[in-house]
Amino acid sequence: ETGVTQSPTHLIKTRGQQVTLRCSSQSGHNTVSWYQQALGQGPQFIFQYYREEENGRGNFPPRFSGLQFPNYSSELNVNALELDDSALYLCASSLGGSYSREAFFGQGTRLTVV
Amino acid sequence: QQQVKQSPQSLIVQKGGISIINCAYENTAFDYFPWYQQFPGKGPALLIAIRPDVSEKKEGRFTISFNKSAKQFSLHIMDSQPGDSATYFCAATPVSSGAQKLVFGQGTRLTINP
Repeated sequence: ETGVTQSPTHLIKTRGQQVTLRCSSQSGHNTVSWYQQALGQGPQFIFQYYREEENGRGNFPPRFSGLQFPNYSSELNVNALELDDSALYLCASSLGGSYSREAFFGQGTRLTVV
Repeated sequence: QQQVKQSPQSLIVQKGGISIINCAYENTAFDYFPWYQQFPGKGPALLIAIRPDVSEKKEGRFTISFNKSAKQFSLHIMDSQPGDSATYFCAATPVSSGAQKLVFGQGTRLTINP
């Protein structure tokens, strides 16, 4: 186990609703990244938070937003849900600025939009 | 230029055989190349990683071979076991003062027949 925990594990939402996913990073890690993994695909980078600030963003619209808290846990918020947002959402924690670059993933939150 | 191309899409190997998965990249700014293993319903787990200053790294039954001039790297699983049956992703991270963004390949579904 990586020590990265995500909640909830599964979620069903209706199109147009909003959702918040949560992630607790591994002890000592100050950087959290979020990824979207569609069925049968590799994870796609959404954004990263380092010391409570957004530190890079992938090709996702502004309705995907996030937060990082002083204890380095993080939230991913998605507004105006669309059917294509159905995916496994993964959180990864790492030590920002570290030469090691190792990133450890949580088990993911399976979001289904109906 | 940010893509990482992975092959094959699926692979079947007999128990005790060698499993080989290949990846290629274009962006010469990539400087860290991890491999992840993912079981159904779980997040990706870091297996092994390499930097471009070495041509090979071995950890137990897993070996990464890296060819900087060809911009290719591969994962070799020796003495493959049924428990190795999973989806494998190669990834790469660009040198950046910003986000440690992982760019993933499309994945290889590996099946080890007993």
